[in-house]
Amino acid sequence: DTGVSQNPRHKITKRGQNVTFRCDPISEHNRLYWYRQTLGQGPEFLTYFQNEAQLEKSRLLSDRFSAERPKGSFSTLEIQRTEQGDSAMYLCASSHREGTGGNTIYFGEGSWLTVV
Amino acid sequence: AQSVAQPEDQVNVAEGNPLTVKCTYSVSGNPYLFWYVQYPNRGLQFLLKYITGDNLVKGSYGFEAEFNKSQTSFHLKKPSALVSDSALYFCAVRRLMAGNTPLVFGKGTRLSVIA
Repeated sequence: DTGVSQNPRHKITKRGQNVTFRCDPISEHNRLYWYRQTLGQGPEFLTYFQNEAQLEKSRLLSDRFSAERPKGSFSTLEIQRTEQGDSAMYLCASSHREGTGGNTIYFGEGSWLTVV
Repeated sequence: AQSVAQPEDQVNVAEGNPLTVKCTYSVSGNPYLFWYVQYPNRGLQFLLKYITGDNLVKGSYGFEAEFNKSQTSFHLKKPSALVSDSALYFCAVRRLMAGNTPLVFGKGTRLSVIA
């Protein structure tokens, strides 16, 4: 069990460029979550998947953001036409689906995005 | 909608003293409650959770938390703080019987343990 893996860990990009982050969840986990965290704030929910199905998207996820989990394994989060306000740490997490809600969500190390 | 509040942005404690990091929650029905810790430039690490049963929950690294339904609180505690406990701590909530839906996090409390 290698945990949740995210890459790249750091990305500096110019405003207007597109960026993509990848997340590999814990292998037996069928739920995958994306959160965003800015300095001084707690993680804010963006979207989550059950296998390959995207179950929910936050209002924070503007049209410039798209997330996929094509085969129910790894996921990508793409940000198009980046803006300085997109600078944040993007956290991926995963969990089991089964149960009534007591399952723990396990986080990766995060991907830092700086838009200059 | 569910939410959590962490009323203190910063908690300072001397090494060896007991520590408390406060969390209150708001949710319709009974909650599932979680604590996570975050070290600089790292992701969140799970510490402990309350699902049901005993109101005192024990977790990793000697931390524990007490669920208090009447006060809607879930404070994190440790009997004797270590300098290495200095980090950012987050409380999170999920509504009972919501399935394993996303957690809602508080803003975090920065714990500083002084030698």
